[in-house]
Amino acid sequence: NAGVTQTPKFQVLKTGQSMTLQCAQDMNHEYMSWYRQDPGMGLRLIHYSVGAGITDQGEVPNGYNVSRSTTEDFPLRLLSAAPSQTSVYFCASRLIGGEDTEAFFGQGTRLTVV
Amino acid sequence: TQLLEQSPQFLSIQEGENLTVYCNSSSVFSSLQWYRQEPGEGPVLLVTVVTGGEVKKLKRLTFQFGDARKDSSLHITAAQPGDTGLYLCAGLHTGTASKLTFGTGTRLQVTL
Repeated sequence: NAGVTQTPKFQVLKTGQSMTLQCAQDMNHEYMSWYRQDPGMGLRLIHYSVGAGITDQGEVPNGYNVSRSTTEDFPLRLLSAAPSQTSVYFCASRLIGGEDTEAFFGQGTRLTVV
Repeated sequence: TQLLEQSPQFLSIQEGENLTVYCNSSSVFSSLQWYRQEPGEGPVLLVTVVTGGEVKKLKRLTFQFGDARKDSSLHITAAQPGDTGLYLCAGLHTGTASKLTFGTGTRLQVTL
């Protein structure tokens, strides 16, 4: 059981470049989300999806796009990378409904924008 | 705006000591979760508390949800080096677009 798989694990971008962070889950979870983790700030929600074809913004969406064409995949696109987007990115998935659903995380993508 | 504040931000203690981590918010949550994260990995769920005033124990870890469901605490008894890691609380707002909001994190280091 692979769980949540993120690729790549590390990436260095130049300012202005674009790229897509991949996320796939094999648990048939409806809910998928992207977070960024910066020192002293915990995890901040970028975008989330409650099912295929449905996406919405989190608290820090600017500079990022997402799409959800299948239940399994939830890619995160950086349109024009900026140094402020240097961070560790985590994808998570979970079931919807109930107050005790567990979020499962990928291993993260460490992104550096120079 | 960070809805969940954790304190302390850093904690360095010796093996055998006790400690408490606090998670505070002005918002009411349907439930509160605690995760632990190790270097190079994603967070892993430790526990979920659902009812105001609820107390849950996981070996040497004791979790409590505040009566008003706005705050929570994690108490570790007789800390061990294996407890080292980043502890994150997360509040859940239920509903169709239920979001999990994470706290600022507490980095714990336990030395011999």
